[in-house]
Amino acid sequence: DQQVKQNSPSLSVQEGRISILNCDYTNSMFDYFLWYKKYPAEGPTFLISISSIKDKNEDGRFTVFLNKSAKHLSLHIVPSQPGDSAVYFCAASARNSGNTPLVFGKGTRLSVIA
Amino acid sequence: ETGVTQTPRHLVMGMTNKKSLKCEQHLGHNAMYWYKQSAKKPLELMFVYSLEERVENNSVPSRFSPECPNSSHLFLHLHTLQPEDSALYLCASSQDSVNTEAFFGQGTRLTVV
Repeated sequence: DQQVKQNSPSLSVQEGRISILNCDYTNSMFDYFLWYKKYPAEGPTFLISISSIKDKNEDGRFTVFLNKSAKHLSLHIVPSQPGDSAVYFCAASARNSGNTPLVFGKGTRLSVIA
Repeated sequence: ETGVTQTPRHLVMGMTNKKSLKCEQHLGHNAMYWYKQSAKKPLELMFVYSLEERVENNSVPSRFSPECPNSSHLFLHLHTLQPEDSALYLCASSQDSVNTEAFFGQGTRLTVV
């Protein structure tokens, strides 16, 4: 059973608008969440993270929101740019539970249209 | 440049071949990982090494054999693979296996014919 779910396989957004990528998780032990971005023929690169003690973390155009009661997080990109077109992976970890590597979702392909 | 280098970038092998994937990290990290990315599936963790000791093996078939000779190098030895093993194999490293951010290599695109 998938512990980290990204239910939208793809998303298209107009340049300049907001992109919202969603992620749900089932394991209540997860306490650290990350977003990775992946271009074709490259490995995933770390984008932004959030600890469960926070509900929001912002870094430039990227903001991650965490709703622990709903076991839901989202990545907002605003304004979206064509260079943001990539696959975005949500990942989670239960750091306070010891040796638990990252668990990834299937990814959402974002296309930003100029 | 992420500091994690994988070779080769592409590999085509027959089902009776033996080949190895190589990963090298220059970040001074203590943990290294092999992941498998198949089409329409989440990234699947295969192996975790922490301080050169294997700490996790997610029920991976024995035709995949990892080796970690030191904290900077990780190998994945492949033997008698199946066509369904064709995928992108990604190596990653992190400061420790409790997981701060993991840094990924560019991956090896493996095709088994």
